[in-house]
Amino acid sequence: GEDVEQSLFLSVREGDSSVINCTYTDSSSTYLYWYKQEPGAGLQLLTYIFSNMDMKQDQRLTVLLNKKDKHLSLRIADTQTGDSAIYFCAAMDSSYKLIFGSGTRLLVRP
Amino acid sequence: NAGVTQTPKFQVLKTGQSMTLQCAQDMNHNSMYWYRQDPGMGLRLIYYSASEGTTDKGEVPNGYNVSRLNKREFSLRLESAAPSQTSVYFCASTRDRVYLETQYFGPGTRLLVL
Repeated sequence: GEDVEQSLFLSVREGDSSVINCTYTDSSSTYLYWYKQEPGAGLQLLTYIFSNMDMKQDQRLTVLLNKKDKHLSLRIADTQTGDSAIYFCAAMDSSYKLIFGSGTRLLVRP
Repeated sequence: NAGVTQTPKFQVLKTGQSMTLQCAQDMNHNSMYWYRQDPGMGLRLIYYSASEGTTDKGEVPNGYNVSRLNKREFSLRLESAAPSQTSVYFCASTRDRVYLETQYFGPGTRLLVL
Protein backbone atom coordinates (compact mmCIF):
# COMPACT_ATOMS: atom_id res chain seq x y z
CA GLY A 1 0.00 0.00 0.00
CA GLU A 2 0.88 3.66 -0.02
CA ASP A 3 3.60 4.93 2.29
CA VAL A 4 4.30 8.63 2.82
CA GLU A 5 7.49 9.93 4.43
CA GLN A 6 8.61 13.35 5.60
CA SER A 7 11.55 14.80 7.46
CA LEU A 8 10.76 15.46 11.10
CA PHE A 9 11.97 18.99 11.74
CA LEU A 10 12.82 22.25 9.97
CA SER A 11 14.01 25.50 11.49
CA VAL A 12 14.15 28.77 9.51
CA ARG A 13 14.54 32.47 10.21
CA GLU A 14 11.57 34.78 9.87
CA GLY A 15 11.46 36.19 6.34
CA ASP A 16 13.32 33.27 4.78
CA SER A 17 11.69 30.63 2.58
CA SER A 18 10.83 27.22 4.02
CA VAL A 19 10.84 24.06 1.96
CA ILE A 20 9.18 20.95 3.38
CA ASN A 21 9.72 17.70 1.50
CA CYS A 22 7.67 14.54 1.19
CA THR A 23 8.03 11.26 -0.69
CA TYR A 24 5.34 8.73 -1.49
CA THR A 25 5.43 5.24 -2.91
CA ASP A 26 2.24 4.70 -4.91
CA SER A 27 2.58 6.20 -8.37
CA SER A 28 -1.19 5.88 -8.91
CA SER A 29 -1.99 8.48 -6.22
CA THR A 30 -4.13 11.03 -8.01
CA TYR A 31 -4.19 13.81 -5.44
CA LEU A 32 -1.59 14.97 -2.92
CA TYR A 33 -2.30 17.30 -0.04
CA TRP A 34 -0.60 19.56 2.46
CA TYR A 35 -2.17 20.13 5.87
CA LYS A 36 -1.17 22.44 8.72
CA GLN A 37 -1.70 21.59 12.37
CA GLU A 38 -1.29 24.25 15.03
CA PRO A 39 -0.84 23.25 18.70
CA GLY A 40 -3.97 21.76 20.19
CA ALA A 41 -5.94 22.02 16.97
CA GLY A 42 -7.16 19.81 14.16
CA LEU A 43 -5.68 19.70 10.68
CA GLN A 44 -6.34 22.49 8.23
CA LEU A 45 -6.03 21.89 4.49
CA LEU A 46 -3.50 24.31 3.00
CA THR A 47 -3.39 23.23 -0.60
CA TYR A 48 -3.49 20.19 -2.84
CA ILE A 49 -2.25 19.21 -6.26
CA PHE A 50 -3.56 16.86 -8.90
CA SER A 51 -1.07 14.33 -10.18
CA ASN A 52 -1.10 15.70 -13.75
CA MET A 53 0.29 19.03 -12.52
CA ASP A 54 3.94 19.87 -11.82
CA MET A 55 3.41 23.01 -9.81
CA LYS A 56 0.69 24.91 -8.04
CA GLN A 57 1.02 28.36 -6.49
CA ASP A 58 -1.34 29.89 -3.96
CA GLN A 59 -0.18 33.22 -2.49
CA ARG A 60 2.91 32.41 -0.38
CA LEU A 61 2.62 28.66 -0.96
CA THR A 62 4.15 26.78 -3.87
CA VAL A 63 3.73 23.05 -4.33
CA LEU A 64 6.11 21.18 -6.60
CA LEU A 65 5.44 17.63 -7.74
CA ASN A 66 8.03 15.35 -9.32
CA LYS A 67 6.05 12.31 -10.39
CA LYS A 68 9.08 10.43 -11.66
CA ASP A 69 10.74 10.55 -8.24
CA LYS A 70 7.43 10.53 -6.33
CA HIS A 71 8.56 13.66 -4.51
CA LEU A 72 6.36 16.49 -3.29
CA SER A 73 7.49 19.75 -1.73
CA LEU A 74 5.82 22.72 -0.09
CA ARG A 75 7.58 26.07 -0.26
CA ILE A 76 6.45 28.86 2.04
CA ALA A 77 7.77 32.25 0.95
CA ASP A 78 8.53 34.98 3.49
CA THR A 79 7.97 32.62 6.41
CA GLN A 80 6.36 34.24 9.45
CA THR A 81 6.27 33.19 13.11
CA GLY A 82 2.60 32.34 12.60
CA ASP A 83 3.70 29.64 10.17
CA SER A 84 5.25 27.66 13.03
CA ALA A 85 3.25 24.42 13.11
CA ILE A 86 3.36 20.80 12.04
CA TYR A 87 2.89 20.24 8.32
CA PHE A 88 1.51 16.95 7.04
CA CYS A 89 1.79 15.59 3.55
CA ALA A 90 -0.96 13.16 2.51
CA ALA A 91 -1.73 11.09 -0.57
CA MET A 92 -5.08 9.81 -1.75
CA ASP A 93 -4.94 6.06 -2.23
CA SER A 94 -6.86 4.03 -4.79
CA SER A 95 -9.89 3.70 -2.46
CA TYR A 96 -10.19 7.45 -1.82
CA LYS A 97 -8.60 7.38 1.58
CA LEU A 98 -5.84 9.65 2.84
CA ILE A 99 -2.46 8.23 3.81
CA PHE A 100 -0.56 10.70 5.97
CA GLY A 101 3.12 11.26 6.55
CA SER A 102 4.34 11.63 10.10
CA GLY A 103 4.53 15.41 9.87
CA THR A 104 7.29 18.02 9.72
CA ARG A 105 7.56 20.41 12.64
CA LEU A 106 8.43 23.89 11.33
CA LEU A 107 9.99 26.33 13.78
CA VAL A 108 10.29 29.94 12.66
CA ARG A 109 12.92 31.90 14.60
CA PRO A 110 12.47 35.68 14.96
CA ASN B 1 -21.50 27.21 10.86
CA ALA B 2 -19.61 25.34 13.58
CA GLY B 3 -18.00 22.96 11.07
CA VAL B 4 -16.99 19.71 12.76
CA THR B 5 -17.47 19.49 16.52
CA GLN B 6 -16.22 16.79 18.86
CA THR B 7 -17.02 15.95 22.46
CA PRO B 8 -15.44 15.55 24.88
CA LYS B 9 -12.21 17.54 24.46
CA PHE B 10 -10.35 15.50 27.07
CA GLN B 11 -11.01 12.19 28.77
CA VAL B 12 -9.18 9.95 31.20
CA LEU B 13 -10.25 6.31 31.38
CA LYS B 14 -9.13 3.30 33.34
CA THR B 15 -8.26 0.13 31.48
CA GLY B 16 -11.44 -1.79 30.70
CA GLN B 17 -13.79 1.17 30.85
CA SER B 18 -15.94 2.07 27.88
CA MET B 19 -16.75 5.40 26.32
CA THR B 20 -18.19 6.98 23.20
CA LEU B 21 -16.62 9.88 21.34
CA GLN B 22 -19.15 12.09 19.63
CA CYS B 23 -18.76 13.93 16.35
CA ALA B 24 -21.16 16.17 14.46
CA GLN B 25 -20.92 18.26 11.31
CA ASP B 26 -23.25 20.97 10.03
CA MET B 27 -21.95 21.19 6.45
CA ASN B 28 -24.35 18.63 4.98
CA HIS B 29 -21.40 16.39 4.16
CA ASN B 30 -22.01 12.83 3.08
CA SER B 31 -18.78 11.20 4.30
CA MET B 32 -17.33 11.13 7.80
CA TYR B 33 -14.11 9.70 9.24
CA TRP B 34 -12.42 8.85 12.52
CA TYR B 35 -8.62 9.08 12.78
CA ARG B 36 -6.15 8.64 15.59
CA GLN B 37 -2.91 10.57 15.93
CA ASP B 38 -0.03 9.17 17.94
CA PRO B 39 3.23 11.00 18.73
CA GLY B 40 5.65 11.02 15.82
CA MET B 41 3.09 9.49 13.49
CA GLY B 42 0.66 10.82 10.99
CA LEU B 43 -3.06 10.31 11.26
CA ARG B 44 -4.30 6.78 10.80
CA LEU B 45 -7.83 5.99 9.71
CA ILE B 46 -9.88 3.95 12.17
CA TYR B 47 -13.29 3.82 10.48
CA TYR B 48 -15.17 5.82 7.94
CA SER B 49 -18.69 6.26 6.69
CA ALA B 50 -18.92 7.02 2.99
CA SER B 51 -22.60 7.90 3.31
CA GLU B 52 -25.42 7.73 5.81
CA GLY B 53 -26.15 4.11 6.64
CA THR B 54 -22.73 2.72 5.70
CA THR B 55 -19.54 2.21 7.70
CA ASP B 56 -16.23 0.61 6.75
CA LYS B 57 -13.00 -0.29 8.48
CA GLY B 58 -9.91 1.77 7.98
CA GLU B 59 -6.29 0.97 8.74
CA VAL B 60 -6.57 0.43 12.53
CA PRO B 61 -10.14 -0.64 13.44
CA ASN B 62 -9.40 -3.18 16.18
CA GLY B 63 -10.88 -2.25 19.56
CA TYR B 64 -13.33 0.28 18.11
CA ASN B 65 -16.89 0.40 16.85
CA VAL B 66 -18.71 3.19 15.08
CA SER B 67 -22.26 4.34 14.47
CA ARG B 68 -23.44 6.71 11.78
CA LEU B 69 -26.45 7.93 13.70
CA ASN B 70 -27.71 10.20 10.93
CA LYS B 71 -26.16 12.37 8.25
CA ARG B 72 -24.76 14.80 10.84
CA GLU B 73 -23.41 12.49 13.51
CA PHE B 74 -20.74 9.79 13.60
CA SER B 75 -19.72 8.28 16.93
CA LEU B 76 -16.72 6.17 17.90
CA ARG B 77 -17.01 3.68 20.75
CA LEU B 78 -14.30 2.02 22.80
CA GLU B 79 -15.91 -0.99 24.46
CA SER B 80 -12.99 -1.92 26.72
CA ALA B 81 -10.28 0.73 26.70
CA ALA B 82 -6.62 -0.29 26.66
CA PRO B 83 -3.51 1.85 27.29
CA SER B 84 -2.60 1.38 23.60
CA GLN B 85 -5.67 3.46 22.77
CA THR B 86 -4.18 6.53 24.44
CA SER B 87 -4.15 8.97 21.55
CA VAL B 88 -5.68 12.06 20.06
CA TYR B 89 -8.79 11.26 18.06
CA PHE B 90 -9.92 13.40 15.16
CA CYS B 91 -13.21 13.32 13.37
CA ALA B 92 -13.45 14.66 9.83
CA SER B 93 -16.06 15.06 7.13
CA THR B 94 -16.06 15.57 3.38
CA ARG B 95 -18.72 16.55 0.86
CA ASP B 96 -18.26 13.13 -0.67
CA ARG B 97 -15.64 10.41 -0.31
CA VAL B 98 -14.01 11.31 -3.63
CA TYR B 99 -13.71 15.01 -2.80
CA LEU B 100 -11.02 14.84 -0.16
CA GLU B 101 -10.10 18.47 -0.84
CA THR B 102 -13.30 19.30 1.04
CA GLN B 103 -12.21 17.42 4.16
CA TYR B 104 -12.64 19.39 7.38
CA PHE B 105 -11.29 18.21 10.72
CA GLY B 106 -12.66 18.64 14.21
CA PRO B 107 -10.48 19.98 17.06
CA GLY B 108 -9.75 16.52 18.46
CA THR B 109 -10.41 14.50 21.62
CA ARG B 110 -7.40 13.76 23.82
CA LEU B 111 -7.82 10.37 25.48
CA LEU B 112 -5.61 8.95 28.19
CA VAL B 113 -6.12 5.32 29.23
CA LEU B 114 -4.46 4.38 32.50
